[in-house]
Amino acid sequence: GDSVTQMEGPVTLSEEAFLTINCTYTATGYPSLFWYVQYPGEGLQLLLKATKADDKGSNKGFEATYRKETTSFHLEKGSVQVSDSAVYFCATADRGSTLGRLYFGRGTQLTVWP
Amino acid sequence: EAGVAQSPRYKIIEKRQSVAFWCNPISGHATLYWYQQILGQGPKLLIQFQNNGVVDDSQLPKDRFSAERLKGVDSTLKIQPAKLEDSAVYLCASSLVRLEVYSYNEQFFGPGTRLTVL
Repeated sequence: GDSVTQMEGPVTLSEEAFLTINCTYTATGYPSLFWYVQYPGEGLQLLLKATKADDKGSNKGFEATYRKETTSFHLEKGSVQVSDSAVYFCATADRGSTLGRLYFGRGTQLTVWP
Repeated sequence: EAGVAQSPRYKIIEKRQSVAFWCNPISGHATLYWYQQILGQGPKLLIQFQNNGVVDDSQLPKDRFSAERLKGVDSTLKIQPAKLEDSAVYLCASSLVRLEVYSYNEQFFGPGTRLTVL
């Protein structure tokens, strides 16, 4: 079945540092790829998505590119802020299925210090 | 627009007791999901409804877990009897009906119910 492997955390950075969180996937089909974020005390929110190879998803300064050849979807941000402190989840969904089921990675805790 | 509502937010029970969680999805969302998130892991789908019918319950431990979605709106997830390994956050999500195979409808998540089984 589908699965997602995420870089283990926690990740601790100073404000304005560059962020990369690695994500690789295995899928039997041709999945759509997502990054979700969970801020302290809140529910999961969709951060960005990409639905086909070479697509770049972007939102709030975060970016991730769908790399089919390396089965990867790494999350990047050029300059993190304290408000970016949260848990980040990489996820896949099978495009060929009508069910829309999401498969999540373990999550990566990011803490940004001022 | 109101988001996905869940209650209670926290619940502590002893093993072998029963517990129920409630979810009210976003108005107009026909698809509803229950996920289990164990500490240190990503959410795992337990069951998916479309309107009031089950479309995927392959990961639901049916000997102790049950869920229903009467009238195609609110949903209840029950555990009876609970085990220690059921300690987790239970997330409810909803989305619009997926009309085309290669389209995607965003899932909106509630804040979750944190269950502790002692």
